[in-house]
Amino acid sequence: ETGVTQSPTHLIKTRGQQVTLRCSSQSGHNTVSWYQQALGQGPQFIFQYYREEENGRGNFPPRFSGLQFPNYSSELNVNALELDDSALYLCASSLFVDTEAFFGQGTRLTVV
Amino acid sequence: AQTVTQSQPEMSVQEAETVTLSCTYDTSESDYYLFWYKQPPSRQMILVIRQEAYKQQNATENRFSVNFQKAAKSFSLKISDSQLGDAAMYFCAYNTGTASKLTFGTGTRLQVTL
Repeated sequence: ETGVTQSPTHLIKTRGQQVTLRCSSQSGHNTVSWYQQALGQGPQFIFQYYREEENGRGNFPPRFSGLQFPNYSSELNVNALELDDSALYLCASSLFVDTEAFFGQGTRLTVV
Repeated sequence: AQTVTQSQPEMSVQEAETVTLSCTYDTSESDYYLFWYKQPPSRQMILVIRQEAYKQQNATENRFSVNFQKAAKSFSLKISDSQLGDAAMYFCAYNTGTASKLTFGTGTRLQVTL
């Protein structure tokens, strides 16, 4: 059984650019959630996808968008990057929306 | 809105000793879940222990146990027989039943010394 995998592990982008982060959920998991963890802070919930539909969103602007594919893998897209978007982005998958979340190792995004 | 507060930015414990990490939360819900996650330098969040609010009995997982005080909205983590591998950031987290939509505290960095 493979765990949650995220790619890339590290990324450097320029302010104003767009970025796509990817997450492969654990086998059989149909729910994926994304979190942003700024340095020295706890993770903040961005949004969740359940069976390809958005199922809840945190307090993030529309330039943060996502997608879930039929195989339940997911993408997080961020447009018009700002310096404050520099953070660790964590993906978590769960078997259902109300079961334990398993986290990936995250993507470290640096915006310069 | 639900909030989770961890008032100890850093804690230190000697190997084999016991340490308690504090967490308080604020919610108007009656049914919810509380978690402690460990985040080592590898960055991956690892679930340490989980408590359902409707259960009065405190959860225990090997050397890890919680003291859940629902009326006081307090949820502390006790680590017994501390090991070097316990050194990490520990996050307290909350949700209302949709386990993936977690609200996290700001974390406590635990150092384990010889």
